[in-house]
Amino acid sequence: AQSVTQLGSHVSVSEGALVLLRCNYSSSVPPYLFWYVQYPNQGLQLLLKYTSAATLVKGINDFEAEFKKSETSFHLTKPSAHMSDAAEYFCAVSVPSGYNKLIFGAGTRLAVHP
Amino acid sequence: DTAVSQTPKYLVTQMGNDKSIKCEQNLGHDTMYWYKQDSKKFLKIMFSYNNKELIINETVPNRFSPKSPDKAHLNLHINSLELGDSAVYFCASSQNRLAQPQHFGDGTRLSIL
Repeated sequence: AQSVTQLGSHVSVSEGALVLLRCNYSSSVPPYLFWYVQYPNQGLQLLLKYTSAATLVKGINDFEAEFKKSETSFHLTKPSAHMSDAAEYFCAVSVPSGYNKLIFGAGTRLAVHP
Repeated sequence: DTAVSQTPKYLVTQMGNDKSIKCEQNLGHDTMYWYKQDSKKFLKIMFSYNNKELIINETVPNRFSPKSPDKAHLNLHINSLELGDSAVYFCASSQNRLAQPQHFGDGTRLSIL
């Protein structure tokens, strides 16, 4: 079975500071990993995904994440936070199979202060 | 043009009633999903359809019945609504059954009085 743990339900950074959102996964087989963003009163948008190619994955809006098998982690980073980055971020895992069933983490709310 | 649109956006109703939520995608995707997000923002898949065929059914109470009249539409009917059904329900779509959901609707906030 797969699971995802997001460390820190709330993260607060200053505008221009580094953003680091943590995600650890558990999977008995090599997983696929994803980060989604949810802005207030909206649905989720895919930020980036890891599907067993390059371990450093770049996504939209300068976000990137690195798959580290030894640490079972897939942390999300952005060099410089913008006010518009304030949102809820979800890490998710799935495994290659006949269909794609995402297992989501509990989410991390990112606040960005001026 | 909205990629995945669901209606209504808000649904307030009483326990015991029956209600439906509709979802449409204009992306030409083969696969559609229903997810439930509870009050703690936890997201869980409920159902998935691929070309009108049910492929994921996550032990959801049989009061919930999805229907896919064609691959662009996936509706969710809920019978005998209970307090615990209060949540935000999201529809999503993906290119095919192996791809991850890329586009989600804006959600239907269901409140049971």
